[in-house]
Order: sequence, then C-alpha cells, then structure tokens
Amino acid sequence: GQQLNQSPQSMFIQEGEDVSMNCTSSSIFNTWLWYKQDPGEGPVLLIALYKAGELTSNGRLTAQFGITRKDSFLNISASIPSDVGIYFCAGQLSGAQKLVFGQGTRLTINP
Amino acid sequence: DAGITQSPRHKVTETGTPVTLRCHQTENHRYMYWYRQDPGHGLRLIHYSYGVKDTDKGEVSDGYSVSRSKTEDFLLTLESATSSQTSVYFCAIRTSGSTDTQYFGPGTRLTVL
Repeated sequence: GQQLNQSPQSMFIQEGEDVSMNCTSSSIFNTWLWYKQDPGEGPVLLIALYKAGELTSNGRLTAQFGITRKDSFLNISASIPSDVGIYFCAGQLSGAQKLVFGQGTRLTINP
Repeated sequence: DAGITQSPRHKVTETGTPVTLRCHQTENHRYMYWYRQDPGHGLRLIHYSYGVKDTDKGEVSDGYSVSRSKTEDFLLTLESATSSQTSVYFCAIRTSGSTDTQYFGPGTRLTVL
C-alpha cells in the first residue's frame, strides 16, 4: 500500500540538541498528523495539521504542513531524555477514510 | 486517551486456535480501526468500521474478520491463528469535523506459538 517517506529512520543526539525530521509523499494530503510512541504503548498524538502552510507548536515541538501539501516536518527544540521514542507521521488524503503512515523515526538521546 | 480500551493486553495462544481481541470506546465515535505493528513494517491497517455493522478491509485483512454490533465495541477475530499473526494490535478511533484525527488504544501483544 501507499506509504510516506519518513526520514531519518533513526537519530542519535546529545541532550539539549534540536531535532528535525520530515515526511514526504507523492500524493497531496488534507491532513498531517505527528505521533510519538513509547515502548509498550500506543502512538500518542502530538500535533495535527489541517491547512497548507500551517505551523503549529506544542511546547518544544513545532510542526509544519508543507505548502505543496506533499510534505511535513517536525522539530523538537532542546531535547530532553523523555523525548526518546519513535515518531510517526501520518497523512490523510481528501475524502479518504484511512491514514497513510510513515515508517517512523527512532530518537535516541545520550545524556 | 480518547476513552479507548483494549482487551486482553497480552495473549499467548497456539497455532490453529481462534482468538478475539476487543476494542471498546466510550465517546460514541463512528469510525474505528484495527492495525497491526511489526518491526520493519510500521502500522498497517487490517480492517476498519464506519458504523454499526459497516466494515471494510484494510491492506492486510487476510486471516482476520471483524464485527461491530454496537457503536462502542469493535472486535477483531483471528479464526485460526498462525505464527505470522504474532504482532502488536492497536485499535484507533477517528474524530470527525474540523479536527479529523485518529487516537490509538494501548495495544494488545499477541503471541502465536
């Protein structure tokens, strides 16, 4: 099935560094969603984007809905140990009932 | 957590046995989804429901069936479990309107021996 291209697949950073990850698609999406998943738990919604060009923040997290509607990025500023986990992007096509997911970015933080 | 619970949270079963997983929601959402998550494959849609008795297949529906006789419950059944169905299963609900998004349950870890 259709998938989003999410990169990078993994990141190893120092505590306090900023993080950036992105998702791209060949299709135009109406909605972009960013989730975080901790080990043994379900994905938790971080940020939802509904308009091209929209820039939304949630604490130290900032995400943008690309102007072309084919991409989105997520930034985390001043990373802390609890930011460790897997981050997923997801997109929804216009009129679709299903989400398309990226493969995830695994974030590891060295203290 | 959008009022989603899954049961059981962990299950070990033998090949060839039937297994039913339950997803329960408390907020009357119309859409419900079942996903499986495996290393290297991310989240893959098994089946989804858009109302009571209304269901449709996802990308990996073979070997699975679903039922939705009440708004609040969405059941996933493995008629005859196989080792390839060892996975973590997540249920999700979809909110509608201007904040169209999906929220996930805590997951069920299923091991088929």
